[in-house]
Amino acid sequence: GAGVSQTPSNKVTEKGKYVELRCDPISGHTALYWYRQSLGQGPEFLIYFQGTGAADDSGLPNDRFFAVRPEGSVSTLKIQRTERGDSAVYLCASSYGLYPGEQYFGPGTRLTVT
Amino acid sequence: AQTVTQSQPEMSVQEAETVTLSCTYDTSESDYYLFWYKQPPSRQMILVIRQEAYKQQNATENRFSVNFQKAAKSFSLKISDSQLGDAAMYFCAYRSGETSGSRLTFGEGTQLTVNP
Repeated sequence: GAGVSQTPSNKVTEKGKYVELRCDPISGHTALYWYRQSLGQGPEFLIYFQGTGAADDSGLPNDRFFAVRPEGSVSTLKIQRTERGDSAVYLCASSYGLYPGEQYFGPGTRLTVT
Repeated sequence: AQTVTQSQPEMSVQEAETVTLSCTYDTSESDYYLFWYKQPPSRQMILVIRQEAYKQQNATENRFSVNFQKAAKSFSLKISDSQLGDAAMYFCAYRSGETSGSRLTFGEGTQLTVNP
């Protein structure tokens, strides 16, 4: 079946602008994760959804970052008043169930804030 | 908090040879999972292999195997008969088995080069 998809693949925006990044998980996967990967580093956790609700948002760096998953499928990561430090690859992953719950990743969105 | 350390930023191997990538982790939990992910230039993270902490037997997946030393908190990946397509960034990752829906904690990665 289709894997996790993310759009756009690349996004360039100016400092201070608002951006939305979309993730389409594997059909039937109830858990959805967002990670941020800065250049040369491993991914860092941002937020996790189980169904429609954010079960753990402790990785969101500040209140400019927000994510939703209104129907328990597609998720949108929203970043307000973007800063140059937000430039990174944003990865989405989904899993079926929790244990062992292997996470399957999308190709990511590369965000560049100029 | 759990931490994952990969002490080899870069490794290289000759095609058809064997290479071992190192990973250590720190945790106070007894129930957890360990993973190796591969990330080629396409950015797509691909699961290579998984190990459950409660299993004593080391996981194997074709040419990929792990050496899981629970007491030493070590989890190395061995790639046998290396192929050009194995060239990528490899990440070791930890996931709690005690916290519902826990996130993955990644190491810094090891860039593997395969020389023809």
